[in-house]
Amino acid sequence: TQLLEQSPQFLSIQEGENLTVYCNSSSVFSSLQWYRQEPGEGPVLLVTVVTGGEVKKLKRLTFQFGDARKDSSLHITAAQPGDTGLYLCAGGNSGNTPLVFGKGTRLSVIA
Amino acid sequence: DTEVTQTPKHLVMGMTNKKSLKCEQHMGHRAMYWYKQKAKKPPELMFVYSYEKLSINESVPSRFSPECPNSSLLNLHLHALQPEDSALYLCASRKEGGNTIYFGEGSWLTVV
Repeated sequence: TQLLEQSPQFLSIQEGENLTVYCNSSSVFSSLQWYRQEPGEGPVLLVTVVTGGEVKKLKRLTFQFGDARKDSSLHITAAQPGDTGLYLCAGGNSGNTPLVFGKGTRLSVIA
Repeated sequence: DTEVTQTPKHLVMGMTNKKSLKCEQHMGHRAMYWYKQKAKKPPELMFVYSYEKLSINESVPSRFSPECPNSSLLNLHLHALQPEDSALYLCASRKEGGNTIYFGEGSWLTVV
């Protein structure tokens, strides 16, 4: 069974601070997706990374896929209250096999 | 357009009622999914449909009955649910050979 360990589980920071969320596994994934979810809404896709060592930037968010495709990180620079939410990483494999989800990181950015 | 549409957004039903959740996508995706999500937890897979055929059933109780009438539609029929079945039900889809799964906004179900 593939597992994704996501950390930290909770994070409360002041506006303007930087933060990093980690997703680690002992298994190799063909892709890694990051989602952000607001209460009562479905997860919204932020990024998909597929190549080992890949780095993608989305405004103040930087995503990295590990060289061995077993881990990933999400770095947010100068966090804003609008970044508050549940961040989920999910590992994918080939075919229509289901995603493997991390347990999520609940981020609260205080103004 | 990466849109998965779910209806209704909110549903309250009694334990003896029969209701259905509906999901629609027009992206030509041939894999569709139902997930259940409880508060403060990640989504849990319920069913996977591939080319309109059920390919994975994660030991879901028979009071949940999925149906895929065509390649764009996915239903979840609900009957004799329990209060502990109250949750956010998420539909998702993925294109053939694609890496990314796209989620709908979810249907909030409350069983009373």
